[in-house]
Amino acid sequence: DTEVTQTPKHLVMGMTNKKSLKCEQHMGHRAMYWYKQKAKKPPELMFVYSYEKLSINESVPSRFSPECPNSSLLNLHLHALQPEDSALYLCASSQDFKGRVVVSPLHFGNGTRLTVT
Amino acid sequence: RKEVEQDPGPFNVPEGATVAFNCTYSNSASQSFFWYRQDCRKEPKLLMSVYSSGNEDGRFTAQLNRASQYISLLIRDSKLSDSATYLCVVNPPGGFKTIFGAGTRLFVKA
Repeated sequence: DTEVTQTPKHLVMGMTNKKSLKCEQHMGHRAMYWYKQKAKKPPELMFVYSYEKLSINESVPSRFSPECPNSSLLNLHLHALQPEDSALYLCASSQDFKGRVVVSPLHFGNGTRLTVT
Repeated sequence: RKEVEQDPGPFNVPEGATVAFNCTYSNSASQSFFWYRQDCRKEPKLLMSVYSSGNEDGRFTAQLNRASQYISLLIRDSKLSDSATYLCVVNPPGGFKTIFGAGTRLFVKA
């Protein structure tokens, strides 16, 4: 069982819809991440939050909007997505970092499989 | 040059074989290294951290060569259940970056 919980597991949405992906962890980790993964490709970093503050935005289009309400929750708000945004969206958390270097492994949630029609 | 390079394979090996994967990285100041395993349509799961002195966990051995800037994963006595994609992960300094290799696909056959 994963210690990072993501909901929903599957999501189908139209290009005009607004939806949100949710992620929760109770391990006390202070860094949380959103990754996007296409088939047969490695995970691709989207956003990093450290101590509830956005630390990295990897030039992600504004139709993806992250939010970190508290140290245990991470959301990804979706609006006006394109079919090419269909992918597995993975949330992860990590415990330790020295300065701005991640030194402990990432713990991933099960992911949300998103299909944009 | 990519920050992390990994042979995508696939590696097709019989049960009981020994197989090794390498992963090279470009930033010599990188500080932490990991191997993850990912099954089809599942999330990546941590297999091993990689320490400077090398480390072993059962049939799996991970090594780090800082001089040549690569990490390796050795799997002994391969099992059918080892079939998966193996992702190397490198954490360079600055900016909470975690960089994944492309992943190496392993198929173990009876």
